[in-house]
Amino acid sequence: DTGVSQNPRHKITKRGQNVTFRCDPISEHNRLYWYRQTLGQGPEFLTYFQNEAQLEKSRLLSDRFSAERPKGSFSTLEIQRTEQGDSAMYLCASSLVGHPGTEAFFGQGTRLTVV
Amino acid sequence: QKEVEQDPGPLSVPEGAIVSLNCTYSNSAFQYFMWYRQYSRKGPELLMYTYSSGNKEDGRFTAQVDKSSKYISLFIRDSQPSDSATYLCAMSADTGFQKLVFGTGTRLLVSP
Repeated sequence: DTGVSQNPRHKITKRGQNVTFRCDPISEHNRLYWYRQTLGQGPEFLTYFQNEAQLEKSRLLSDRFSAERPKGSFSTLEIQRTEQGDSAMYLCASSLVGHPGTEAFFGQGTRLTVV
Repeated sequence: QKEVEQDPGPLSVPEGAIVSLNCTYSNSAFQYFMWYRQYSRKGPELLMYTYSSGNKEDGRFTAQVDKSSKYISLFIRDSQPSDSATYLCAMSADTGFQKLVFGTGTRLLVSP
């Protein structure tokens, strides 16, 4: 499978615990995006990387959230001291900048439940 | 007020019907307009991508953009039960797919 891969698919954690999600983009893609989707809503932009540089962060990304993309390949999204309001689907997408019309491909998402 | 407004539905139609899905938006800087389909518990997949105003057709799907009215539409002809999904409109002011702003999604149910 050469699509965007996200792990784990599901994560249940207790409030106050830290969690980390991983995204493996399509191999030649240089842009990687994180979105959050809550029930009944569309995805909301969190942050994006071009290669290893984090170029923009949404105001939704509080100081409890941190994203990295070491070496410009896979990316991790960590949430510290989780809260019940963090329960959502976390989606990763990747694209190839510089190629007009190249779409952003989404992964299957990681569904986080904070209890 | 949200930047992108979309009727959440659900929209129920019989098989073979023509479906019209719509979004309105407030940010005049949006230039790139997309429609994504999302099945339950899956990631969104791109259906149509349009730059600026105009129409684009792909098989049973037609996307229309009217920037003067800040209104976009997706038409599905000869709808099939397999079209049952949530349809999300998305927009961007930047080149390509950077920082998409999504609507809430419209849930479509096509009955046999």
